[in-house]
Amino acid sequence: GAGVSQSPRYKVAKRGQDVALRCDPISGHVSLFWYQQALGQGPEFLTYFQNEAQLDKSGLPSDRFFAERPEGSVSTLKIQRTQQEDSAVYLCASSLGRVLTYEQYFGPGTRLTVT
Amino acid sequence: KNQVEQSPQSLIILEGKNCTLQCNYTVSPFSNLRWYKQDTGRGPVSLTIMTFSENTKSNGRYTATLDADTKQSSLHITASQLSDSASYICVCNEGNNRLAFGKGNQVVVIP
Repeated sequence: GAGVSQSPRYKVAKRGQDVALRCDPISGHVSLFWYQQALGQGPEFLTYFQNEAQLDKSGLPSDRFFAERPEGSVSTLKIQRTQQEDSAVYLCASSLGRVLTYEQYFGPGTRLTVT
Repeated sequence: KNQVEQSPQSLIILEGKNCTLQCNYTVSPFSNLRWYKQDTGRGPVSLTIMTFSENTKSNGRYTATLDADTKQSSLHITASQLSDSASYICVCNEGNNRLAFGKGNQVVVIP
């Protein structure tokens, strides 16, 4: 595809529900990143994949958050038992190379609202 | 603690005028610094990337400067257009597969 795509663009969940957010990176991009962006804030790092390997998940705020990229392409961020503080925009980014000197291309984000 | 501080938090400028956004960082070690533009409801888009050895870099009407000694960067927008209304985010590469993001400078250009 032409860029990074994410789905759904908007998600409303009742507190306690599980949600799954999808990211389709640019074809051939090795690295994939997930970020959480609260209203009026900059993005905060959640997790990083290099191909199918999750190399850094230290930014995940709790064990309710889980991410996977089983075939080294599409990635899913899953949030179990959603809480109101999970309300945010979840951004996915991909880059061609393995190090952060490469440009990161961001998707449009999924806006999650937990009621 | 946020390692990237931006100012002003927000500003309103008249179409056609220039403006300068500031970024101070404490990230160390430091690999590179980026400025992103984020339109409302969209993901950030890269404007410039500078390594510590670069002092200035331009991208059309956007010019970024970097002073690695004082750990300051600025983004200058020349002859602003209505489409420049966005959040401008300063980002530092910590060198460990992490990017440290500022909160952004919210710019509103009015006719």
